[in-house]
Amino acid sequence: SQQGEEDPQALSIQEGENATMNCSYKTSINNLQWYRQNSGRGLVHLILIRSNEREKHSGRLRVTLDTSKKSSSLLITASRAADTASYFCATVNSGYSTLTFGKGTMLLVSP
Amino acid sequence: EAQVTQNPRYLITVTGKKLTVTCSQNMNHEYMSWYRQDPGLGLRQIYYSMNVEVTDKGDVPEGYKVSRKEKRNFPLILESPSPNQTSLYFCASSPRPQETQYFGPGTRLLVL
Repeated sequence: SQQGEEDPQALSIQEGENATMNCSYKTSINNLQWYRQNSGRGLVHLILIRSNEREKHSGRLRVTLDTSKKSSSLLITASRAADTASYFCATVNSGYSTLTFGKGTMLLVSP
Repeated sequence: EAQVTQNPRYLITVTGKKLTVTCSQNMNHEYMSWYRQDPGLGLRQIYYSMNVEVTDKGDVPEGYKVSRKEKRNFPLILESPSPNQTSLYFCASSPRPQETQYFGPGTRLLVL
């Protein structure tokens, strides 16, 4: 079952612009994770935010979490062509046994 | 180098011919899992393992088997592959399911 759902499905921007992706989920979580996938390759972990955190930064990435709205957002500032990839959010179920991924947002950054 | 390896990376087979995709990690992780990725459906978990000899079904286990006889290895077995199992498969490992997942490079399978 899909727990996280990303929005938008696809996003096209110019280099230097900011990109914002959103993730909504349905049940209570322990943490929420964001991953990046370059075309057809393995997923790479970007950032993990725990349920008691509201905001987290890592380089040009900023993640927010609103547990009352069951949503998270990933902001990439000053985007580069190399940021072109698919971005997925993932949540852990209440039994701490499975990680469920959303369908992802495809980001295209044009030079 | 800490990594998750999968073999083979690409595989073309025919319906009904048993195959195994291997997965190995060198990080001493207890948790390992298999996902399939299909266009428009994202990643869906097939099986996971919390530790040696402990495996359980994910969201889409039908047609697949796994085993966890050693901590580092978690092979995915397709006893009788069918065309609807054509997909991109990923193995992942982590210390625990709620922690960062480390993914292998993927295995692209085509079942004719």
